[in-house]
Amino acid sequence: NAGVMQNPRHLVRRRGQEARLRCSPMKGHSHVYWYRQLPEEGLKFMVYLQKENIIDESGMPKERFSAEFPKEGPSILRIQQVVRGDSAAYFCASSGPLNTEAFFGQGTRLTVV
Amino acid sequence: AQKVTQAQTEISVVEKEDVTLDCVYETRDTTYYLFWYKQPPSGELVFLIRRNSFDEQNEISGRYSWNFQKSTSSFNFTITASQVVDSAVYFCALSETSGSRLTFGEGTQLTVNP
Repeated sequence: NAGVMQNPRHLVRRRGQEARLRCSPMKGHSHVYWYRQLPEEGLKFMVYLQKENIIDESGMPKERFSAEFPKEGPSILRIQQVVRGDSAAYFCASSGPLNTEAFFGQGTRLTVV
Repeated sequence: AQKVTQAQTEISVVEKEDVTLDCVYETRDTTYYLFWYKQPPSGELVFLIRRNSFDEQNEISGRYSWNFQKSTSSFNFTITASQVVDSAVYFCALSETSGSRLTFGEGTQLTVNP
């Protein structure tokens, strides 16, 4: 799972700022998943993307959150106008196209002050 | 809808004790996958095992073993002769297919004391 790269590892934002979290999947993987882990809680699914397509965003908050996975470059999870409740660890996972297992990155820990 | 329940929020044992972490799941799918992940204090997620719903054989890997009981919808994880380095949060998870979205349990915090 070391092949899934997330950056930054730690991000501090003031309330109202924007947060951009990046995820580079493992080589050859075209499926990306984002999960959020609130303090003292389990991981909750947010969004599932393939290249240039959002497949399932049923776990995404309706406002301020967006995700993309462009043809070139990493997947981006964007949080606009952050609030204290957005403070969490955000994990990205990637998998290949043939029902293969998903591997996780090391996560980005967002702190909103 | 899928659901994973890890009823044990915290477990504390003394080194060398055996410990079992419980996991009960709910799904309407006939084909599904079950996973265990370890999250040490450093925060990353470490994959431990994946099992598909057609394979009910128990599995052993060193000090780790897993007991999959389809009849009771359980996928329990046992650590034999626990060590301090086993201290972590352990998550059980379920997915419809191996590469699809995971539904996680709330995790069990295991503390192994010297």
